[in-house]
Amino acid sequence: EAAVTQSPRSKVAVTGGKVTLSCHQTNNHDYMYWYRQDTGHGLRLIHYSYVADSTEKGDIPDGYKASRPSQENFSLILELASLSQTAVYFCASSDKQGAIDTQYFGPGTRLLVL
Amino acid sequence: AQSVTQPDARVTVSEGASLQLRCKYSYFGTPYLFWYVQYPRQGLQLLLKYYPGDPVVQGVNGFEAEFSKSNSSFHLRKASVHWSDWAVYFCAVSMDNYAQGLTFGLGTRVSVFP
Repeated sequence: EAAVTQSPRSKVAVTGGKVTLSCHQTNNHDYMYWYRQDTGHGLRLIHYSYVADSTEKGDIPDGYKASRPSQENFSLILELASLSQTAVYFCASSDKQGAIDTQYFGPGTRLLVL
Repeated sequence: AQSVTQPDARVTVSEGASLQLRCKYSYFGTPYLFWYVQYPRQGLQLLLKYYPGDPVVQGVNGFEAEFSKSNSSFHLRKASVHWSDWAVYFCAVSMDNYAQGLTFGLGTRVSVFP
């Protein structure tokens, strides 16, 4: 069974502060993704990566950075957190065919920015 | 650009009754289509996926979906719903560049009552 873990599972941050969300997969997958989930918007892609040391912008990258230092780890960084970034964040991984392969999701991180 | 519409935000069904969840997609090209399920406080899990070929796809837990190119639809069905099917169901389509992750619909929340 594929495994994707996220930390922290929940976080309260202050406006203007820096937040780092971490994702770790043990699937040996090439592709990793960061999505955010908001009521009324479903899931939207923030950043993705298909190889270590490289990241790509998704649909809504503004205000976010991503880092993929190894195949197993993929981080999402909010340099200056804002109220509008309150959401649930999901990390996912998939194998060599990217999105048309099954995506395995982590349990999510609930972020509240005050 | 591709898009997915799930016209029903909420569906209520009695245990043992049949279930159909609607999904319409907009995509120029050959779509790869997916249904994912999100149980309470969990990440998403794949129910089934459509690759070009047989229009009827079987998934886990008795779910199936039917692709219709003429109707641009990918509806999900289950013959007899169980209380454990209480969840949010997301339809998704692969982007033009399949490395870029999926485009999700807003989801349909299914409530099951005895």
